[in-house]
Amino acid sequence: EVQLVESGGGLVQPGGSLRLSCAASGFTFSTYSMNWVRQAPGKGLEWVSYISSSSSTIYYAASVKGRFTISRDNAKNSLYLQMNSLRDEDTAVYYCAREGREGYNWNYSFDNWGQGSLVTVSS
Amino acid sequence: IQLTQSPSSLSASVGDRVTITCRASQGISSYLAWYQQKPGKAPKLLIYAASTLQSGVPSRFSGSGSGTDFTVTISSLQPEDFATYYCQQLNSYPLTFGQGTKVEIK
Repeated sequence: EVQLVESGGGLVQPGGSLRLSCAASGFTFSTYSMNWVRQAPGKGLEWVSYISSSSSTIYYAASVKGRFTISRDNAKNSLYLQMNSLRDEDTAVYYCAREGREGYNWNYSFDNWGQGSLVTVSS
Repeated sequence: IQLTQSPSSLSASVGDRVTITCRASQGISSYLAWYQQKPGKAPKLLIYAASTLQSGVPSRFSGSGSGTDFTVTISSLQPEDFATYYCQQLNSYPLTFGQGTKVEIK
């Protein structure tokens, strides 16, 4: 069974930093691209960042570019999101999400999501 | 690429046929997915590639469209289908979601 478990969320002051982790199990993590998606309280979904299986390709949303860094450790089956210079508007539940596949090819979806980790930015 | 869902919310009864629309600001071929989200839970993939049903999703869900106009239809609404539905374009980065459609009990 595919499992994605986020951790590392919490309360942080504006301007502070936080590192989220996503522990993956039940699949060959090193062969899948991964994403972070966030959801502010009572709001919709916002894609945050993408990392390819080998970390060779990375993308960010404009709202976090230059402040957030996505990374992964395939030996530890883990995905990370380093968040710096946090702002009030970064308050959200952060989900890690796996790319969907048909065979070896991306099927243009996110087929498995973690339960989310709440990040609250407030003084 | 902006995605606009309509309606933003709707009220329907069990057994009703429900259709939600997602319009893209530019052509995205068939690179569109639909998700269902219930309060306090992670989104769940329903449909990918605009019309392919994800494994395990009931056949009362169906998707259609290509280019800029897409729909998801629930043929006979069930109690467990009351939730918020999101479309997502995966044609190009940054990936984007529609604003969501909340399906409520009438």
